[in-house]
Amino acid sequence: AQSVTQPDIHITVSEGASLELRCNYSYGATPYLFWYVQSPGQGLQLLLKYFSGDTLVQGIKGFEAEFKRSQSSFNLRKPSVHWSDAAEYFCAGSLRAGGTSYGKLTFGQGTILTVHP
Amino acid sequence: NAGVTQTPKFQVLKTGQSMTLQCAQDMNHEYMSWYRQDPGMGLRLIHYSVGAGITDQGEVPNGYNVSRSTTEDFPLRLLSAAPSQTSVYFCASRRQGASTDTQYFGPGTRLTVL
Repeated sequence: AQSVTQPDIHITVSEGASLELRCNYSYGATPYLFWYVQSPGQGLQLLLKYFSGDTLVQGIKGFEAEFKRSQSSFNLRKPSVHWSDAAEYFCAGSLRAGGTSYGKLTFGQGTILTVHP
Repeated sequence: NAGVTQTPKFQVLKTGQSMTLQCAQDMNHEYMSWYRQDPGMGLRLIHYSVGAGITDQGEVPNGYNVSRSTTEDFPLRLLSAAPSQTSVYFCASRRQGASTDTQYFGPGTRLTVL
């Protein structure tokens, strides 16, 4: 069965510091991969997505993610964190088009990011 | 466009009561889905639909019913609420035909079952 794992439940960083959130996937073939952000009491907003091609993906709000097939990882990074980045972050995967995939997303457990001033 | 809308935002039920969570989208998306979010478990797929009249089960369908009579609406029904259904529920939609298309999420419904 497909799975997405986020090993870190909670991460705390200082404002201005760099950030890396980890995501590992387990699929029979390379899935589509996504990072979503959820601010308190809000819905989910897509940060970025990986389909194919360039393994470094740029997203909104200054985030980027790197796809590493050899490590089955899709880690999210930001060079300098702002206080407004405090939120919960979800990594998700879906099977590639075709068959009965229909874009069903499998989510990781989420990582809560706290930003200290 | 309003995007994906959900009502109500908050709901408290007693065990055994029934209710319907509403979801609507105005983007003419064929694919719609319901997820529940529980602490430490991410979001889990309950049911999904690939078009009017077509629905299927996701990962955690027990205790929930859905139907899709129009493209715009995809209600989620709890026939006999249980405390284990206390959760935050999200509806999402996207265009059918390409898994690469972005899924758009509603703001969520926070449900408490006493």
